[in-house]
Amino acid sequence: ELKVEQNPLFLSMQEGKNYTIYCNYSTTSDRLYWYRQDPGKSLESLFVLLSNGAVKQEGRLMASLDTKARLSTLHITAAVHDLSATYFCAVEKDYKLSFGAGTTVTVRA
Amino acid sequence: NAGVTQTPKFRVLKTGQSMTLLCAQDMNHEYMYWYRQDPGMGLRLIHYSVGEGTTAKGEVPDGYNVSRLKKQNFLLGLESAAPSQTSVYFCASSYRTGLGYTFGSGTRLTVV
Repeated sequence: ELKVEQNPLFLSMQEGKNYTIYCNYSTTSDRLYWYRQDPGKSLESLFVLLSNGAVKQEGRLMASLDTKARLSTLHITAAVHDLSATYFCAVEKDYKLSFGAGTTVTVRA
Repeated sequence: NAGVTQTPKFRVLKTGQSMTLLCAQDMNHEYMYWYRQDPGMGLRLIHYSVGEGTTAKGEVPDGYNVSRLKKQNFLLGLESAAPSQTSVYFCASSYRTGLGYTFGSGTRLTVV
């Protein structure tokens, strides 16, 4: 059974500082996804990582994948209030997604 | 282009009642999924379908049934609702090749 662990589960960020969210998974996977969810809303796709060493960046967010370590990271640069949300990683295996528990991010001034 | 549409958006059920949640997609996706989201547990797969007329169990299928009589629709049924089924339910769909999932807006279900 594929297990996905995210940490931390809660992250209080100070504006302007850098932070990292970690996503570990237990078996080989096909692809890894990062999603953002605002309260009461659906999931918004941020990144799809396809292969070892993949790195993708969009604005203040950068995601990377190390398939050998079964680890993905979501790095946040110079946090701003708009980044407050819950972030999920999800690992795809055999066309099914297994989600981490999510990291709830709060950005304070 | 509506994407994935879930109905209803909110529902309150009494214990023992039954209901059906509807998911409709207009993207000609082969694969469809039902997830439930509970606090601190992420999303967990209930059932999924890889094509019209096919269904399969996911991680937490007990207490739910599904049907996919038409390619564009995926129905999730609760025959006898229990308070443990209070959750937010998300439907998703994708092409056979994967590379991206489209999620619906969710159904918030409360069982009292």
